Amino acid sequence: DGGITQSPKYLFRKEGQNVTLSCEQNLNHDAMYWYRQDPGQGLRLIYYSQIVNDFQKGDIAEGYSVSREKKESFPLTVTSAQKNPTAFYLCASSINRMNTGELFFGEGSRLTVL
Amino acid sequence: AQSVTQLDSQVPVFEEAPVELRCNYSSSVSVYLFWYVQYPNQGLQLLLKYLSGSTLVKGINGFEAEFNKSQTSFHLRKPSVHISDTAEYFCAVKSQGGSEKLVFGKGTKLTVNP
Repeated sequence: DGGITQSPKYLFRKEGQNVTLSCEQNLNHDAMYWYRQDPGQGLRLIYYSQIVNDFQKGDIAEGYSVSREKKESFPLTVTSAQKNPTAFYLCASSINRMNTGELFFGEGSRLTVL
Repeated sequence: AQSVTQLDSQVPVFEEAPVELRCNYSSSVSVYLFWYVQYPNQGLQLLLKYLSGSTLVKGINGFEAEFNKSQTSFHLRKPSVHISDTAEYFCAVKSQGGSEKLVFGKGTKLTVNP
């Protein structure tokens, strides 16, 4: 089955540690996205990538970093510079960024900072 | 730039009652419109989309939405809800023909009570 796989589903982190969230897709989509979801705030775009080895900042990129070395993979690192990292993180993909905008989502990763 | 307003943050209804979740958008250009559903601790999945043509759009699970250009609205309706429809619903908009990102509303939490 084609889809998006996010791991881990739950992650706990101590303050001051970097953590990396994995996102893999086998849909052969060009574009991939990372969103952050907080209660009552909807989805906010962190980073997106349209092609391999290229990515752009979204609305709330500070304290996060990404890489896109392979078409299938778009990992997100939450760095110690992110002041309030506890949130639900969603990875998504689309055929390409010029299309109708339909996104396919993973199941999400919930990060809790202790 | 586009924006989306979901007028109700929470909507409680009884099982088998009709429901309408309201969504208004603003945009200076033509748009594509979407409704996504998110069940607890899961990713989002597409419920329905308006790209062009008929303004009444039917989606999965018996939901439908009507695009009203003059009122810039895209309200979601279901004539009779089930307990299993309890979820959060997100309206989203994207400009046609460009690389603008998909913009999400803050979500409406639908709770169906027995």
